[in-house]
Amino acid sequence: DQQVKQNSPSLSVQEGRISILNCDYTNSMFDYFLWYKKYPAEGPTFLISISSIKDKNEDGRFTVFLNKSAKHLSLHIVPSQPGDSAVYFCAASASGANSKLTFGKGITLSVRP
Amino acid sequence: GAVVSQHPSRVICKSGTSVKIECRSLDFQATTMFWYRQFPKQSLMLMATSNEGSKATYEQGVEKDKFLINHASLTLSTLTVTSAHPEDSSFYICSARQGVNGYTFGSGTRLTVV
Repeated sequence: DQQVKQNSPSLSVQEGRISILNCDYTNSMFDYFLWYKKYPAEGPTFLISISSIKDKNEDGRFTVFLNKSAKHLSLHIVPSQPGDSAVYFCAASASGANSKLTFGKGITLSVRP
Repeated sequence: GAVVSQHPSRVICKSGTSVKIECRSLDFQATTMFWYRQFPKQSLMLMATSNEGSKATYEQGVEKDKFLINHASLTLSTLTVTSAHPEDSSFYICSARQGVNGYTFGSGTRLTVV
């Protein structure tokens, strides 16, 4: 049972346009959400996160939106740049001493020059 | 910022041998570290949670006798793949938790068993 779902395996956008990466979750105990960027044969790099007490968090070109009622979050990248081309993972965790990250399958973003 | 060093970055070993992968938090102490495995074009699958000074907690379906985890200090956790077989070939990634929600990942280890 996949608790974090990234249903679109890939996304291609033109440079300068907006990239919208979606993520859905099923576990209502999740209260912290993160987005990671990953290149092949490398570890994930943290991008941005959001707590369940917020519905938006912005950091430069990256904005994450959280819709708790829909159990949905999205990562917006604007403007998209060719260097943004990578695999993006959505991850979630629940509070507690034994908290751990649960990852989605990732989405491959390609930004065309 | 927090840095996690993972070594080696890639290793090739013969079937039946054991391989040790190290994960170090360089500038912070990590009471909890995590070990993941990633198959091609798949998600990061949590294998086990490593707690300093205590036994690791393994996820369902992960053989604890095959994947030995040792977290002897606040900055070092090791994963040993024992009696490796070709099906153990994969990309292994460690992560260290700093604070409540800070997770920093190592650069990963590509294991190839021949």
